[in-house]
Amino acid sequence: QSVLTQPPSVSAASGQKVTISCSGSSSNIEKNYVSWYQQLPGAAPRLLIYENSRRPSGIPDRFSASKSGTSATLDIAGLQTGDEADYCCGTWDHSLNAWVFGGGTKLTVL
Amino acid sequence: EVQLVQSGVEVKKPGESLKISCKGSGFSFTSYWIGWVRQMPGTGLEWMGIIYPGDSDTRYSPSFQGQVTISADNSINTAYLQWSSLKASDTAMYYCARGYCSGRPCYLNYFDYWGQGTLVPVSS
Repeated sequence: QSVLTQPPSVSAASGQKVTISCSGSSSNIEKNYVSWYQQLPGAAPRLLIYENSRRPSGIPDRFSASKSGTSATLDIAGLQTGDEADYCCGTWDHSLNAWVFGGGTKLTVL
Repeated sequence: EVQLVQSGVEVKKPGESLKISCKGSGFSFTSYWIGWVRQMPGTGLEWMGIIYPGDSDTRYSPSFQGQVTISADNSINTAYLQWSSLKASDTAMYYCARGYCSGRPCYLNYFDYWGQGTLVPVSS
């Protein structure tokens, strides 16, 4: 069981918008920055969002994220088939004194 | 251009030792944290630990403390992950990644650059 809870899978039609949730607790998400990672099939993870809502250079503004209390969300607008991947959240956990990842969410674009 | 280049596939037997590497380029290697992440087949990412090559400050996930050793050689901008006695359950893809911490002690904020991964199959 991951400390951060994500839905195992989400799906939406091409061109639509999807939201992926990441639920944690007062010892992790509430107190620390959340980042999001995209892992395309057979590839290494890639940073999508850092410090809750900031995008690294080169990441399209179709990807956005926010944090509120003990939860965070990643929104992907204008879905493309190339967005099919696993998406994972991560943050520091003060109780575990460790970095923790969510279990990952597989996105299917219909 | 920031790059982390990892060593190649290592096919091992249970009980064998192993040291895999992660060579950084395009940035000041001694000024950033380098972390290691495990991904077992068909599962999610697990943080193993992190090292600051500048002073060799090393932190381990409680889940991996005592199971692996993380080190670095600044002279060749390379971080390492090693096992003294592999188990079949160590079969996984291992990634290194550059970590950003806000100050000391290190409370990681994110991993911004990742290596391509090193596959380690362990089987008798």
